[in-house]
Amino acid sequence: GENVEQHPSTLSVQEGDSAVIKCTYSDSASNYFPWYKQELGKRPQLIIDIRSNVGEKKDQRIAVTLNKTAKHFSLHITETQPEDSAVYFCAASGANAGKSTFGDGTTLTVKP
Amino acid sequence: GEEVAQTPKHLVRGEGQKAKLYCAPIKGHSYVFWYQQVLKNEFKFLISFQNENVFDETGMPKERFSAKCLPNSPCSLEIQATKLEDSAVYFCASSRARGGTDTQYFGPGTRLTVL
Repeated sequence: GENVEQHPSTLSVQEGDSAVIKCTYSDSASNYFPWYKQELGKRPQLIIDIRSNVGEKKDQRIAVTLNKTAKHFSLHITETQPEDSAVYFCAASGANAGKSTFGDGTTLTVKP
Repeated sequence: GEEVAQTPKHLVRGEGQKAKLYCAPIKGHSYVFWYQQVLKNEFKFLISFQNENVFDETGMPKERFSAKCLPNSPCSLEIQATKLEDSAVYFCASSRARGGTDTQYFGPGTRLTVL
């Protein structure tokens, strides 16, 4: 089955700096890679996703890159703000999968 | 509806008691997923449905866990004879298409505490 590894487990940055979170996956059949943000006590919310036919996708301060050959994808947050503080999860799934496999999460703290 | 609904918000059970959780997917979504999130944040997949049919149940501890999605009713996840280690937040998610091709939208979760 699919295995997703996520690094780092915790990340602390100063407001205005960039944050990068990396994930690797094992199943070459995976073709959909969402990123979720989860605030304390809340549900995971999709913030950006990428499909395997695309190498990069950007939405304002958030971008995701995908390297299918190396089986890794990354989340980039620029100009971080205190409200970006949360736990971020990456996930991977294939077209025939009945589930998403999640990474173990990265706790991002943005210091004002 | 536009959001996945889950009830109850909190559930407290004594060890050995039964627990039943409910999920109403977004209208028009054919796929429902159940995940268990324990304190260290890990999301453990339990089971998924395509309409009322089980799609993937590879994560279900079958001896005590069961789930159903019946037409015109909320989906349910039932735990018989709860154990302390079942304490977690249980999230339901729904998607229009399979998880591999479409976004999963999560409900607010049910926090189960087993004493």
